[in-house]
Amino acid sequence: QQQVKQSPQSLIVQKGGISIINCAYENTAFDYFPWYQQFPGKGPALLIAIRPDVSEKKEGRFTISFNKSAKQFSLHIMDSQPGDSATYFCAAKRGTDKLIFGTGTRLQVFP
Amino acid sequence: NAGVTQTPKFQVLKTGQSMTLQCAQDMNHEYMSWYRQDPGMGLRLIHYSVGAGITDQGEVPNGYNVSRSTTEDFPLRLLSAAPSQTSVYFCASSSLAGGYEQYFGPGTRLTVT
Repeated sequence: QQQVKQSPQSLIVQKGGISIINCAYENTAFDYFPWYQQFPGKGPALLIAIRPDVSEKKEGRFTISFNKSAKQFSLHIMDSQPGDSATYFCAAKRGTDKLIFGTGTRLQVFP
Repeated sequence: NAGVTQTPKFQVLKTGQSMTLQCAQDMNHEYMSWYRQDPGMGLRLIHYSVGAGITDQGEVPNGYNVSRSTTEDFPLRLLSAAPSQTSVYFCASSSLAGGYEQYFGPGTRLTVT
């Protein structure tokens, strides 16, 4: 019930392409779905987040798509750049409960 | 603001040794937590605290102790280090009232031989 499943484990994209990372959850009580970005040797940092009352949120080249009925959400990175190469974690939580993280996706963007 | 700071950055221990990983934040956040990051396992919660004097267990608490005597500090103690505790440890903090964003420290890479 508490698990957040993330795929793929790794992703290789050409510069300018679209990167898509998917997450699925079981607990319908989750009400906050963030994505964190982690560069090598650094701690994760919040990238973008969404609540279940909207189906999409866009910030620059990063978009979260949310499908409440399917209990899935995804991160789309448009016009992927080598500087986007990092590990991305999806997460979910309910109210002030603990944040539950996915297992991470290592993204490599080649020029 | 320094944000979340962690010391040391790197540490090598022998099996059976004990040590304390330090974590401090200067954002007056109520919530603090410790995670370990292992390849293919994501970020797993070890212990967390919602305020001074209050701590609770996360997903993988065995072999670790925590205490929270002040709002700023949240040390993680390894009681008797084991090779299975080789990992990268992250401390994080957030405000319970100001939203859900967690701020992570730079991490401590621990190797137990």
